[in-house]
Amino acid sequence: EVQLVESGGGLVQPGGSLRLSCEASGFTFSIYWMSWVRQAPGKGLECVACINPGGSEEYYVDSVKGRFTISRDNAKNALFLQMNSLRAEESAVYYCARGHWQFEEWGQGTLVTVSS
Amino acid sequence: DIVMTQSPDSLAVSLGERATVNCKSSQNVFYSSGSKSCLAWYQQKPGQPPKLLFYWATSRYSGVPDRFSGSGSGTDFTLTISSLQAEDVAVYYCQQYSTTPPTFGQGTKVEI
Repeated sequence: EVQLVESGGGLVQPGGSLRLSCEASGFTFSIYWMSWVRQAPGKGLECVACINPGGSEEYYVDSVKGRFTISRDNAKNALFLQMNSLRAEESAVYYCARGHWQFEEWGQGTLVTVSS
Repeated sequence: DIVMTQSPDSLAVSLGERATVNCKSSQNVFYSSGSKSCLAWYQQKPGQPPKLLFYWATSRYSGVPDRFSGSGSGTDFTLTISSLQAEDVAVYYCQQYSTTPPTFGQGTKVEI
């Protein structure tokens, strides 16, 4: 069974940082593109970042370029998102998802709240 | 970025009746290397993550009931639920992956 389990969310002040993690199991993690998709409360979906299987290619939505960094550790079946200089409007549930074209499998998400 | 626009924003359908959700892209999302469209559909129930229903516009993902169907090409796409069941109450999203970043429609809420 495919499982994606996110962690690392929480309350952070504007301008602060958080590091999200996603632990993958039930599939060969090292051969898949992986992505982070966020959803603000009551809003739609936005793909924030994605990374290729080897970790050598990364893509970001324009609004997070220079502030967010996606990375992975294939030996530990783990995906990460380092988020710096966070803004209030980036409060959302952050989902780890398998794929970068269609998103085939999703975790339950971790809530990030940016507020003073 | 390609803008995805869904219609309607919400719809109410009786049990057993047909539900139709439309999705229009601001650019053609045709896949250059084949005769396919880079369009996916998702279902999201309250408090749950989205679930993939269709990819390449018409390919049903594993485990999706056959009362769901996807159609369309180019810039216009449709998700159809042929006979609405109570468990189909959800928000449905379309998403293009023809260009980076992939972008989603605003969602369509399907209610009974």
